[in-house]
Amino acid sequence: DAGITQSPRYKITETGRQVTLMCHQTWSHSYMFWYRQDLGHGLRLIYYSAAADITDKGEVPDGYVVSRSKTENFPLTLESATRSQTSVYFCASTLGQGVTEAFFGQGTRLTVV
Amino acid sequence: AQSVTQPDIHITVSEGASLELRCNYSYGATPYLFWYVQSPGQGLQLLLKYFSGDTLVQGIKGFEAEFKRSQSSFNLRKPSVHWSDAAEYFCAVGAKGGGADGLTFGKGTHLIIQP
Repeated sequence: DAGITQSPRYKITETGRQVTLMCHQTWSHSYMFWYRQDLGHGLRLIYYSAAADITDKGEVPDGYVVSRSKTENFPLTLESATRSQTSVYFCASTLGQGVTEAFFGQGTRLTVV
Repeated sequence: AQSVTQPDIHITVSEGASLELRCNYSYGATPYLFWYVQSPGQGLQLLLKYFSGDTLVQGIKGFEAEFKRSQSSFNLRKPSVHWSDAAEYFCAVGAKGGGADGLTFGKGTHLIIQP
């Protein structure tokens, strides 16, 4: 029972580079989410997806791109990384209709230098 | 729009003492409420949840929380804390009927346990 896994766990990248964070879940959950966690802000929703090929913006989407060609994968891409995107990123999933308990991955700590 | 307030950024409790972490929410309909715990360097683990029914809910690790609609609160309690309870605690509110907007989290309460 692998659950929800994120990769890499740690990443250092340079300003202006493109970087992709991966998220994979084995439960066939409909909904998937990306959050970022910053000191003093808690967790903020970046993007979410209700199903394959359906995505929508959350609270802080600027500078990020997502895709969901398969139900189990939900990659997050920073098109041109900035230092303000240094954060811990969490992927989560929920079964969907009528159930909103979220299961979280272990997180990816991203540092932009 | 839904929102969650955790008034205490840090709380220090002696080992063996009781604990109460406060959470207030704002939501237009019946909320789904959650408490998550995050140990250092780890992801979030669900402690307990309230969807409906009994307003006192039991969770894992000896935690409980009470939903009080009149006060818009969902405070987390534990009768006797252990050193291993030191962590970050997040209260969250979710939309009924599906995770369309995800969860809205409070900013967290950092729990410190004194020996």
